[in-house]
Amino acid sequence: EVQLVESGGGLVQPGGSLRLSCAASGFTFNTFEMNWVRQAPGKGLEWLSYISTTGTTIYSADSVKGRFTISRDNTRNSLYLQMNSLSVEDTAVYYCARVAGYDALDFWGQGTMVTVSS
Amino acid sequence: AIQMTQSPSSLSASVGDRVTITCRASQGIRNEIGWYQQKPGKAPKLLIYAASTVQSGVPSRFSGSGSGTDFTLTISSLQPEDFATYYCLQDYNNPRTFGQGTKVEIK
Repeated sequence: EVQLVESGGGLVQPGGSLRLSCAASGFTFNTFEMNWVRQAPGKGLEWLSYISTTGTTIYSADSVKGRFTISRDNTRNSLYLQMNSLSVEDTAVYYCARVAGYDALDFWGQGTMVTVSS
Repeated sequence: AIQMTQSPSSLSASVGDRVTITCRASQGIRNEIGWYQQKPGKAPKLLIYAASTVQSGVPSRFSGSGSGTDFTLTISSLQPEDFATYYCLQDYNNPRTFGQGTKVEIK
């Protein structure tokens, strides 16, 4: 069974940093591209970042470029999102999602909540 | 970045109704769009990919159509479990972009 489990969310002060993790199981992690998506409270979905199977190709949304960094460790079947210079606007549930062969996001984690507040 | 304009933002419908949601892309994206369903407190679920292919396990009352810039998600006969928010997502290029969402509510 495919599973994606996010962790690392919590309360952080403005200007702070946080590292999210996404543990993958039930599939061959190193053969799938991955994404991060977030959803602010009461708002829609926002695509954040993409990483290729080897980690050599990365794309990020303008809203997080230069502050958030996606990475992966295929030996640990894990995806990461390093978030720096956090602001209250970054408060959201953060999801990791697998890219299917046809490019859609076919499996999602349950999400981890990040709250940026003083 | 490609903009995805989704409409309506919300709709009220009854069980058994036919429901149509549309997404318009700001440039041509061939058929590279997916549709997702999200229920409160849950992760999104893939319904349709490549504009018209129904994901395995998704009921056949869900269908998708369109190519280029205009796309449609149709629920042929709305069921109680279909009350949710629906999003389109273009897979054509990065940065990927979602539509604003359509909340389907009970009339």
